[in-house]
Amino acid sequence: NAGVTQTPKFQVLKTGQSMTLQCAQDMNHNSMYWYRQDPGMGLRLIYYSASEGTTDKGEVPNGYNVSRLNKREFSLRLESAAPSQTSVYFCASSEGGSRGRFSYEQYFGPGTRLTVT
Amino acid sequence: RKEVEQDPGPFNVPEGATVAFNCTYSNSASQSFFWYRQDCRKEPKLLMSVYSSGNEDGRFTAQLNRASQYISLLIRDSKLSDSATYLCVVNVGTYNTDKLIFGTGTRLQVFP
Repeated sequence: NAGVTQTPKFQVLKTGQSMTLQCAQDMNHNSMYWYRQDPGMGLRLIYYSASEGTTDKGEVPNGYNVSRLNKREFSLRLESAAPSQTSVYFCASSEGGSRGRFSYEQYFGPGTRLTVT
Repeated sequence: RKEVEQDPGPFNVPEGATVAFNCTYSNSASQSFFWYRQDCRKEPKLLMSVYSSGNEDGRFTAQLNRASQYISLLIRDSKLSDSATYLCVVNVGTYNTDKLIFGTGTRLQVFP
């Protein structure tokens, strides 16, 4: 099992350009998440998808859109990149679901290092 | 006030030392708690969950104090390989959705 994979690993964008970060998991997990990590800020949740077909905003959704393409894939799109979006982006997944227990381990991908100039 | 607060460190300790990290959280309705470990420029990985009664995993012991809303992590007999950033994490999600709030992390450096 590859676990959680992310592409690309690195990206440099100019202000105003758009791009999509791809994430896939092969663990048959229900829930998927996008985080950004900035120095001194900790990881912050951008969007999440509790199950296939649903997406919800996290703490810092402005400037981003997401698509839960199928159970395996969850993409993050920057429509018009801004320097404030320079960050490390992590995708994660967890079993989630409605089994009466909501504290599952989240498995993270290796991250995408994005620089917007 | 941040939802999850940690001392950023760094904690510089010699091999074999015992070191403890604390973390406080503000949401009294939080139901589950974790410590994640993050190596430099890598993804976070779950170190251990934190249970109300406290729990131990080898050299690592986690404690939860709900009344005071703090969580601790104790590392005994530190190894060089323990050098990393330790993230305190609180789940503020609902019945079937995990929503994790991460602390900014405490950096540990173990030296020979």
